[in-house]
Amino acid sequence: AIQMTQSPSSLSASVGDRVTITCRASQDIRDDLGWYQQKPGNAPKLLISAASRLQGGVPSRFSGSGSGTDFTLTISSLQPEDFATYYCLQDYNYPWTFGQGTKVEIK
Amino acid sequence: QVQLVEAGGDVVQPGRSLRLSCTASGFTFSAFAMHWVRQAPGQGLEWLAMILYDGSNRFYADSIKGRFTISRDDSKNTLYLQMNNLRLEDTAVYYCARPKLGLENWGQGTLVSVSS
Repeated sequence: AIQMTQSPSSLSASVGDRVTITCRASQDIRDDLGWYQQKPGNAPKLLISAASRLQGGVPSRFSGSGSGTDFTLTISSLQPEDFATYYCLQDYNYPWTFGQGTKVEIK
Repeated sequence: QVQLVEAGGDVVQPGRSLRLSCTASGFTFSAFAMHWVRQAPGQGLEWLAMILYDGSNRFYADSIKGRFTISRDDSKNTLYLQMNNLRLEDTAVYYCARPKLGLENWGQGTLVSVSS
């Protein structure tokens, strides 16, 4: 199975900060990667698919980049509602695999 | 609008079985593959299984292979997860999800607690 290594596992940031989360795949997965946001008690929400395609209704401060093995989720200016846990998910081949998650906390 | 509603979660003893269901509405269920994902308490997300739109192929995570079975009944717009020989480590919230590009729609989850 493809291993997804996500970093950091947690970070503290302030409102307005630029935040970057990375995921590294153990093999080439082209651009078959999504980013998900999860708030406590809620189901995950798809933010970005195909590495860089922003889902409808997702604020433009979220962006994704990368292909092959290295991927990045960037929040250009962190807002109070963005404090959550973020996961990457490779959908290149089965079994699909998630990264370990990055908890974004308030500094 | 797309709606997915999981049901069937319960407290069960190790070694027992349980069947989860996910009832879909708001889209043509028979046209979509469907997935199960779980999340143990305080832990990350774990992808579990997928069934193709026509049921012709299924894939599983290694952690559940041979114990869990994904199935669907398109006449009832319902997805299932049959879980046999449950272990303590299967304790989790179980979500069903519909893919388009990525897992676009999720249910609210159902809690399975395996405890002696």
